[in-house]
Amino acid sequence: AQSVTQPDIHITVSEGASLELRCNYSYGATPYLFWYVQSPGQGLQLLLKYFSGDTLVQGIKGFEAEFKRSQSSFNLRKPSVHWSDAAEYFCAFSSGSARQLTFGSGTQLTVLP
Amino acid sequence: NAGVTQTPKFQVLKTGQSMTLQCAQDMNHNSMYWYRQDPGMGLRLIYYSASEGTTDKGEVPNGYNVSRLNKREFSLRLESAAPSQTSVYFCATLDSYEQYFGPGTRLTVT
Repeated sequence: AQSVTQPDIHITVSEGASLELRCNYSYGATPYLFWYVQSPGQGLQLLLKYFSGDTLVQGIKGFEAEFKRSQSSFNLRKPSVHWSDAAEYFCAFSSGSARQLTFGSGTQLTVLP
Repeated sequence: NAGVTQTPKFQVLKTGQSMTLQCAQDMNHNSMYWYRQDPGMGLRLIYYSASEGTTDKGEVPNGYNVSRLNKREFSLRLESAAPSQTSVYFCATLDSYEQYFGPGTRLTVT
């Protein structure tokens, strides 16, 4: 079955520390991959996307993600976290002719001062 | 440009009541989607519309109906609301492979 797994429900880091959020997908081919961020009470904002080509993709707000086909992973990273990065992060992939998104269950990020 | 707008922002219903959630976009996109978001489950697709006049079921369509009367608007209807439909509902549109989301409607069914 097609699915996205975000194994970490909640992560806490100190401001200025590095961050890595994990994402694994299960899909028959190489999917189009996305990371979204959601602040409390807000909609979803696209951080970055991977379609093809360079496996390291840069996004907004200093985030990057690396696609690893052999591990079916698309982990999100940031070298130095800011307090404003506290939010929920969702990994997703697009599939089918409808381009519908399949989401992971999300990782809640808390940033300590 | 407003992008994707949703009304209302909040709604409380009693079990058995009906209501329609509205979604409108000004980006001239063909495809539109309705998702629901529940704690610990991410977003799940309810229905989608690939173009004006067409709709298809997603992962969790039971208890919902949709209508795509024109290119701009895609509405989601709950005919007889149930507590299990308490959720946050998001509308989205598609540009190539990227989806753009509205701000959401928080629905509580008591």
